[in-house]
Amino acid sequence: AQRVTQPEKLLSVFKGAPVELKCNYSYSGSPELFWYVQYSRQRLQLLLRHISRESIKGFTADLNKGETSFHLKKPFAQEEDSAMYYCAPPSYNTDKLIFGTGTRLQVFP
Amino acid sequence: DTAVSQTPKYLVTQMGNDKSIKCEQNLGHDTMYWYKQDSKKFLKIMFSYNNKELIINETVPNRFSPKSPDKAHLNLHINSLELGDSAVYFCASSQSRARRDEQFFGPGTRLTVL
Repeated sequence: AQRVTQPEKLLSVFKGAPVELKCNYSYSGSPELFWYVQYSRQRLQLLLRHISRESIKGFTADLNKGETSFHLKKPFAQEEDSAMYYCAPPSYNTDKLIFGTGTRLQVFP
Repeated sequence: DTAVSQTPKYLVTQMGNDKSIKCEQNLGHDTMYWYKQDSKKFLKIMFSYNNKELIINETVPNRFSPKSPDKAHLNLHINSLELGDSAVYFCASSQSRARRDEQFFGPGTRLTVL
């Protein structure tokens, strides 16, 4: 079965520190990888997608096909980045996304 | 203008009851989804409909029955509720069934089974 691993359940940093939220997945056949974010009391929403190669709110994510990883990075964390982050690569044989277990990012002042 | 809306926001009920959660999207999307988020925040897809046709049906007890009267609505009916059904249920929609399409989520329905 396909797996998405986000090894850290909780990541705590101080404001201004660099952040890396790890994501490893078991299928590397598609570049359609996503990061979704859920801020407190808000709905889950798309943060960024690999295929757009964009930087959103200072976050970037690099696809490493060799390591099958899609880690999310930000050089200087802000308090408003505190949220739950989900990595979502696609299933290899269906139309669905597979969401990782999520990492809660806490940014302290 | 809420893009994806769900009702109710909270649902507290007794074991054995039957309940429904409604979802509507006004984005003109073709595809809608139901997800379950458990107490550990794991998010798992349950069902997906594309133009009212069921396209994804994960290993979900048949007590759960989705219904899509039109492509703007996807309701979830749950029979004989059990304690383990307590979770937050999210509805979502996307332009099409293509995996590259962004999914837009509803606010969630927190179901508590007593």
